[in-house]
Amino acid sequence: DQQVKQNSPSLSVQEGRISILNCDYTNSMFDYFLWYKKYPAEGPTFLISISSIKDKNEDGRFTVFLNKSAKHLSLHIVPSQPGDSAVHFCAATSGTYKYIFGTGTRLKVLA
Amino acid sequence: NAGVTQTPKFQVLKTGQSMTLQCAQDMNHEYMSWYRQDPGMGLRLIHYSVGAGITDQGEVPNGYNVSRSTTEDFPLRLLSAAPSQTSVYFCASSYLGQGMNTEAFFGQGTRLTVV
Repeated sequence: DQQVKQNSPSLSVQEGRISILNCDYTNSMFDYFLWYKKYPAEGPTFLISISSIKDKNEDGRFTVFLNKSAKHLSLHIVPSQPGDSAVHFCAATSGTYKYIFGTGTRLKVLA
Repeated sequence: NAGVTQTPKFQVLKTGQSMTLQCAQDMNHEYMSWYRQDPGMGLRLIHYSVGAGITDQGEVPNGYNVSRSTTEDFPLRLLSAAPSQTSVYFCASSYLGQGMNTEAFFGQGTRLTVV
């Protein structure tokens, strides 16, 4: 029973264009959602998060949208840069200590 | 400020051997956890701790033991390694900031191969 799902294993985008990564969840108890990126041979690094009391959060090039009724969140990266090429994971939690991760989407930004 | 430090970075074990993966954090975080990353499976939670002396099981706890005697350290023990435990292991720490959720900080990972 996968509680957090990322149905697109990979995504290719031209440099400068928008990247949209999607994530679905099933557990209605989740109240905090996060996006991480991971380069090979490194640990995941935090990108942006959103609380369930909001439907949008922006930080520079990154915007996360949350649709609670659809149990869906998305990460928009604009403009996309070559350094964004990495595996992106979404995660969800209901208590800050137990994060449940999706399977990841490999983003490739083409120069 | 080192953040979350994992040792070793790489390890090869023979089936049946035991070992301990070390994790230490210097951020005074209450919460610590262990994940494993396998191809196509994402990051799966093994065990977690909400404070010294308190641990609990995550999604895939079988074959692993943990303890938390101090706030800083959260070692993961493999009592009898099996090839199915070949994976990349990540330790993470987090805290409850003024009653609000916060992000987890991850170590650099330990790549374990069991032959």
